[in-house]
Amino acid sequence: QVQLVQSGADVKKPGASVKVSCKASGYTFTSYYIHWVRQAPGQGLEWMGEISPRGGGTTYAPKFQGRVTMARDTSTSTVYMELSSLKSEDTATYFCARRGGVTNGLDNWGPGTLVTVSS
Amino acid sequence: DIQMTQSPSSLSASVGDTVTITCRASQNIGSDLNWFQQKPGKAPSLLLFAASSLQSGVPSRFSGSASGTDFTLTISSLQPEDFATYYCQQSYSTPLTFGGGTKVEIK
Repeated sequence: QVQLVQSGADVKKPGASVKVSCKASGYTFTSYYIHWVRQAPGQGLEWMGEISPRGGGTTYAPKFQGRVTMARDTSTSTVYMELSSLKSEDTATYFCARRGGVTNGLDNWGPGTLVTVSS
Repeated sequence: DIQMTQSPSSLSASVGDTVTITCRASQNIGSDLNWFQQKPGKAPSLLLFAASSLQSGVPSRFSGSASGTDFTLTISSLQPEDFATYYCQQSYSTPLTFGGGTKVEIK
């Protein structure tokens, strides 16, 4: 079965960077885009960007352009999302999600990684 | 960016009720509209894609429809496990955008 396993919760100081991993299993890693979505406490969902595991191409939301980097390691079927220059407003749960082929919807999600930014 | 306006932001309903949630796109998105359910402390779960297609494993009491830039999620005969927050999301163009969410609570 499809599984996305994310790295554990993290606490960072303002101005630092955080790197969250998302390890995929149960399907052909290179066949499906991975997206990143975040959710601040008590708030809605916010799309950050996507990466093609096949070629590594990325598309980022304008809001995060210049601060976010997504990468993949095909040898371990893992996708990474790094967010830099962290602010308190970046405190959120970060989800990775697979975009389905036929559905074009985000059909499998990781459990989320809570990143807390606090001095 | 395409704005997704979802209403209501919350509603109260009883088990067995039929509830309707609407989502309006700020421009044409065809049928590139998905619906998600999210329970507290959990990741969202895909319910419907392409406005009206049921994701595998989702009960048939969930249905979706579209009319121009207006989209509707209907839950027929609400069950206890359906009390959750629901989000629409357009997949027509990047940046992908979500509606603000609708929290369905027990009356």
